[in-house]
Amino acid sequence: GQNIDQPTEMTATEGAIVQINCTYQTSGFNGLFWYQQHAGEAPTFLSYNVLDGLEEKGRFSSFLSRSKGYSYLLLKELQMKDSASYLCAVRDRGGYSTLTFGKGTMLLVSP
Amino acid sequence: NAGVMQNPRHLVRRRGQEARLRCSPMKGHSHVYWYRQLPEEGLKFMVYLQKENIIDESGMPKERFSAEFPKEGPSILRIQQVVRGDSAAYFCASSPRTSGSSYEQYFGPGTRLTVT
Repeated sequence: GQNIDQPTEMTATEGAIVQINCTYQTSGFNGLFWYQQHAGEAPTFLSYNVLDGLEEKGRFSSFLSRSKGYSYLLLKELQMKDSASYLCAVRDRGGYSTLTFGKGTMLLVSP
Repeated sequence: NAGVMQNPRHLVRRRGQEARLRCSPMKGHSHVYWYRQLPEEGLKFMVYLQKENIIDESGMPKERFSAEFPKEGPSILRIQQVVRGDSAAYFCASSPRTSGSSYEQYFGPGTRLTVT
């Protein structure tokens, strides 16, 4: 079966750095995605990893270790608007196959 | 380029009625996915469609739920004889016809279904 785990909630302070972890056990692996979802809104794409290593995109970076079944999303210079749910999702087959999502990590950024 | 559009944004139905949810993918996108999000739960895949074809419906409940993506017009997710447990946010996502290696999915704003 498919299993994706991430912490339920995290809190951090404006300007700080936070790391959101995701571990997965899936029948196959063909890429890991991170999405951001503000309350009542659509998930928006943040990052994609298919090879081991770090992908950096502005204040956000995502890391993948396929051998460990592990990824993290790193958010730097936190802003209040970063308060949202962060969803880890795994694609288990190639191409246009579906995504299996974790339950999401609710991040609260305080002043 | 408008994003993925879903309507209605909010839908209230009484038990036993039918709910019809619509999704218009982004321009140039021919792959549509439907997901359901229950309170305190993650997004759960329901069905994947291309024009006039259901590619993967492994996440669809066996009864009362159906989906289509006709040659013309939006994709429709139809729930017959709704029950309280169907209350959830239903998200549609689309992917472009050619997408490099990521095949990322773009999500619509969702339809929040409430069954009373």
